[in-house]
Amino acid sequence: NAGVTQTPKFRVLKTGQSMTLLCAQDMNHEYMYWYRQDPGMGLRLIHYSVGEGTTAKGEVPDGYNVSRLKKQNFLLGLESAAPSQTSVYFCASMTGPDTEAFFGQGTRLTVV
Amino acid sequence: EDQVTQSPEALRLQEGESSSLNCSYTVSGLRGLFWYRQDPGKGPEFLFTLYSAGEEKEKERLKATLTKKESFLHITAPKPEDSATYLCAVQGSSNTGKLIFGQGTTLQVKP
Repeated sequence: NAGVTQTPKFRVLKTGQSMTLLCAQDMNHEYMYWYRQDPGMGLRLIHYSVGEGTTAKGEVPDGYNVSRLKKQNFLLGLESAAPSQTSVYFCASMTGPDTEAFFGQGTRLTVV
Repeated sequence: EDQVTQSPEALRLQEGESSSLNCSYTVSGLRGLFWYRQDPGKGPEFLFTLYSAGEEKEKERLKATLTKKESFLHITAPKPEDSATYLCAVQGSSNTGKLIFGQGTTLQVKP
């Protein structure tokens, strides 16, 4: 049982390049989330989804887009990367509100 | 505005030296308070959920407690393998499952 798997684990981008981060979960969870973690800032919510085909903005959505075409996958896109998007990105999933979130192992992204 | 503050930012203990980590929160309608452990280079790992004031939960050397304004994570007789960053998060009144995280407390236990 893999849980939550993020692809890739590491990436270096040049300013202006685009990329997509993939999150896949095999627990049949309805709710999925993308967070970013920066030193001294804690984890901050970028976008989330409460079911297949739905997405919503979190606390820091600017510069990112998401899609949830399949229940098990949640994609995070950066259309034009900026150095301020250098961070560690975590995907999480849960059955529903009030339940524990399961996190992936993270994607370390550096934008130069 | 929902907010979570953890203290201290960093804590160094000798093996066997008990202590507590604090998580103060402000949230409109608490659905749950969560504690996670995060090891370097890994994602957060779930420890506890507390739902109402007065609730307590234990797991090995860890005990979490909750009041209306704060939560404590008590660590009794810690071992070096307890070294990690401990994260506190709250869910507010919405049914979206969104978590508001504190900055974390990095614990180092020396043998």
